[in-house]
Amino acid sequence: GDSVTQMEGPVTLSEEAFLTINCTYTATGYPSLFWYVQYPGEGLQLLLKATKADDKGSNKGFEATYRKETTSFHLEKGSVQVSDSAVYFCALYNNNDMRFGAGTRLTVKP
Amino acid sequence: SAVISQKPSRDICQRGTSLTIQCQVDSQVTMMFWYRQQPGQSLTLIATANQGSEATYESGFVIDKFPISRPNLTFSTLTVSNMSPEDSSIYLCSVAQTSNTEAFFGQGTRLTVV
Repeated sequence: GDSVTQMEGPVTLSEEAFLTINCTYTATGYPSLFWYVQYPGEGLQLLLKATKADDKGSNKGFEATYRKETTSFHLEKGSVQVSDSAVYFCALYNNNDMRFGAGTRLTVKP
Repeated sequence: SAVISQKPSRDICQRGTSLTIQCQVDSQVTMMFWYRQQPGQSLTLIATANQGSEATYESGFVIDKFPISRPNLTFSTLTVSNMSPEDSSIYLCSVAQTSNTEAFFGQGTRLTVV
């Protein structure tokens, strides 16, 4: 079946550092890909998405590009802030089925 | 987008009892999903609930333990039956309109079984 493999972390960075969280997937057909963020004590919020190959999703300085040739959707941000501290989940949605990665906890220190 | 109201937001329950969690959406949606998220873990899909049909359960989850109702396109309930401390978790309702579109999440129900 479909699956998502995500860099588990935890990841600790200093403010203004560059962030990469790796995500690869296995799926049949043409899934949509997502990054969700979960702040402490809250539910999941959609951060960005891409619905077809070579699409780039972006939001709040975060970016991810749908790479079909490498089956990847890595999350990047050029300069992280303390407020970005959260758990990030990579996910795919395919044929009415949504699968999540294990989640990566990011802590950004001032 | 969809706004999801999930109730209760948290509860502490005695073992052996049952708790019903409600999920109300502000618009009609095709797909509704129930997830469990144990502390520090990812989301595990319990079942998919589509209106007018029986819920489809994932491996390891059974209807007797987690009965689900989906009476219309804006509402669903998940019951956690005969609870034990191992059922302590966050339960999340999620909705999506059609295949391969984004999913929206409720705030979750934090359940503690003592």
